[in-house]
Amino acid sequence: EEQLVESGGKLVQPGGSLRLSCAASGFTFSSYSMNWVRQAPGKGLEWVSYISSSSGTIKYADSVKGRFTISRDNAKNSVHLQMNSLRAEDTAVYYCARDGGYSSGWVNWFDPWGQGTLVTVSS
Amino acid sequence: QSALTQPASVSGSPGQSITISCTGTSSDIGSSDLVSWYQQNPGKAPKVMIYEGSKRPSGVSDRFSGSKSGNTASLTISGLQAEDEADYYCCSFASSTTFVAFGGGTKLTVL
Repeated sequence: EEQLVESGGKLVQPGGSLRLSCAASGFTFSSYSMNWVRQAPGKGLEWVSYISSSSGTIKYADSVKGRFTISRDNAKNSVHLQMNSLRAEDTAVYYCARDGGYSSGWVNWFDPWGQGTLVTVSS
Repeated sequence: QSALTQPASVSGSPGQSITISCTGTSSDIGSSDLVSWYQQNPGKAPKVMIYEGSKRPSGVSDRFSGSKSGNTASLTISGLQAEDEADYYCCSFASSTTFVAFGGGTKLTVL
């Protein structure tokens, strides 16, 4: 079974940092691009970041550019999101999502998704 | 403000058909075959229902169908069932600085 499991979410103060992780299993992780998608409480989905299978292409939403860094470790079947200079508006459930197809520099669709990890930015 | 525009809510009675529209621009839906639709139930992760505009993943009911015309994509659910009540999101790859655009979501109520 293809599975993604996020971890690392917690309560953090404004201006703080946090590192999210996503562990993948059940598929050849090194063959797929990965993404982070977030959802603020009661709001819609917002794409955050993309990393291609070889880490050769990385993209960010304008709202997090310069503050967040995506990375992956194909040997450990994991993808990470380093979040710095956190703001109240970064409060959300963060989902790890695999590209549903094979891509290098674009997103086909998101499948599967992890269960999400909650990040709360508040003093 | 979401890059793609969806109606906030739609409703229908069991057995009826409904269509959810998703309007973008020539930089996303209008120039991309990579339109997808997601169903999200409360407290759960989204689930893909349609990908590449009109394709259904295995296990998704054939009551769900997708289409596109110009800058607008549509999700149609026929033979509405109570279990279809959920939030639905459209998504498109965007060949611009946006990269990926989501719609604001549509809450489907089965009356």
